Amino acid sequence: QKEVEQNSGPLSVPEGAIASLNCTYSDRGSQSFFWYRQYSGKSPELIMSIYSNGDKEDGRFTAQLNKASQYVSLLIRDSQPSDSATYLCAVYIMNTGFQKLVFGTGTRLLVSP
Amino acid sequence: KAGVTQTPRYLIKTRGQQVTLSCSPISGHRSVSWYQQTPGQGLQFLFEYFSETQRNKGNFPGRFSGRQFSNSRSEMNVSTLELGDSALYLCASSLQGTNTEAFFGQGTRLTVV
Repeated sequence: QKEVEQNSGPLSVPEGAIASLNCTYSDRGSQSFFWYRQYSGKSPELIMSIYSNGDKEDGRFTAQLNKASQYVSLLIRDSQPSDSATYLCAVYIMNTGFQKLVFGTGTRLLVSP
Repeated sequence: KAGVTQTPRYLIKTRGQQVTLSCSPISGHRSVSWYQQTPGQGLQFLFEYFSETQRNKGNFPGRFSGRQFSNSRSEMNVSTLELGDSALYLCASSLQGTNTEAFFGQGTRLTVV
């Protein structure tokens, strides 16, 4: 089982729709979860962090965390063509006594006008 | 506040050569992690340094090494370059590397010919 898993996509949504991106992780003890956005040819940019079960909203973005199910999601409301990018889920995973930040392979989102 | 700075941005090297990449973290950040990103493998964790000590290492051969200086700047070195080492190398800085947000530099694009 991979440490952090995401569907590679692409996930295609029309402009104005809600995009839903999902991520599962293997370490039941993980406490910190992040979503990054990466445009083609650019480095990842942090867009959301979440540490507690439930929802966290920031503008058009909502992160959802369910530790019991080891599941994190990102909702993007009113999707815009400029949201077209690869979204990376990242989780701190315990390794040899210290944590390392492990990334999923990313979900490519395409928002059509 | 200045972000994470990586130098150089682009490198072309020949098989068998060695290369050194540099990363200056955000002021006050003591943790630097390095990642290799390729289209097929996504973001792969190389190693993490905190206060000049390597705390974590990924599954890469010994040709990949790194270090961190007292001012938190970090370097990574790849010796005996292989064609498969061609990738985007990213460094991420965070306050303490555990359960804290990590911010990426622009990356170094290494091409091995």
